[in-house]
Amino acid sequence: GNSVTQMEGPVTLSEEAFLTINCTYTATGYPSLFWYVQYPGEGLQLLLKATKADDKGSNKGFEATYRKETTSFHLEKGSVQVSDSAVYFCALSDRGNNNDMRFGAGTRLTVKP
Amino acid sequence: DSGVTQTPKHLITATGQRVTLRCSPRSGDLSVYWYQQSLDQGLQFLIQYYNGEERAKGNILERFSAQQFPDLHSELNLSSLELGDSALYFCASSVALSTYEQYFGPGTRLTVT
Repeated sequence: GNSVTQMEGPVTLSEEAFLTINCTYTATGYPSLFWYVQYPGEGLQLLLKATKADDKGSNKGFEATYRKETTSFHLEKGSVQVSDSAVYFCALSDRGNNNDMRFGAGTRLTVKP
Repeated sequence: DSGVTQTPKHLITATGQRVTLRCSPRSGDLSVYWYQQSLDQGLQFLIQYYNGEERAKGNILERFSAQQFPDLHSELNLSSLELGDSALYFCASSVALSTYEQYFGPGTRLTVT
């Protein structure tokens, strides 16, 4: 079945450091890929998405590129801020499987000033 | 604010009891999804409704059921509650059946004692 694997946290960085959170997926159909962010005490918010191979999703300085050859969708940001501290979830939605949405386990990021 | 509302915010109940969680989707959204987030299982998709009809089922227990009403709000019913049902329950909505972008509510925290 479909699944998403993302790097385990927690990740602790200093402000302005470079961020990478790895995400790989397994899917039988043609998935769309997402990164969601969950701030403390809140629900998940869509951060960015990519619907086909080689698409790059970007938002708020975060980027991720849909790599079909490596089945990956790694999240990157060049310079993190304290306000980026949150839990990040990689997810896929499979159009060929009734839009079944699968989430990774989440990676907690803490950015220190 | 995603536009998705969930009530109640917190719920504390005893084992063996039954509770109902309520979700109102964003205005205009026809699809409603329910998720369970627990420390050991992560974020799990439970069930999806589209315009009043069940469209997809995930890891939903037989003790759990849901419905979507004509005004598009949805309720998740949890019965014969066990300690392990303690979790955050999120509702999400999207415009259409095959739309990948989901908007999450703030969640209901259920504690079973």
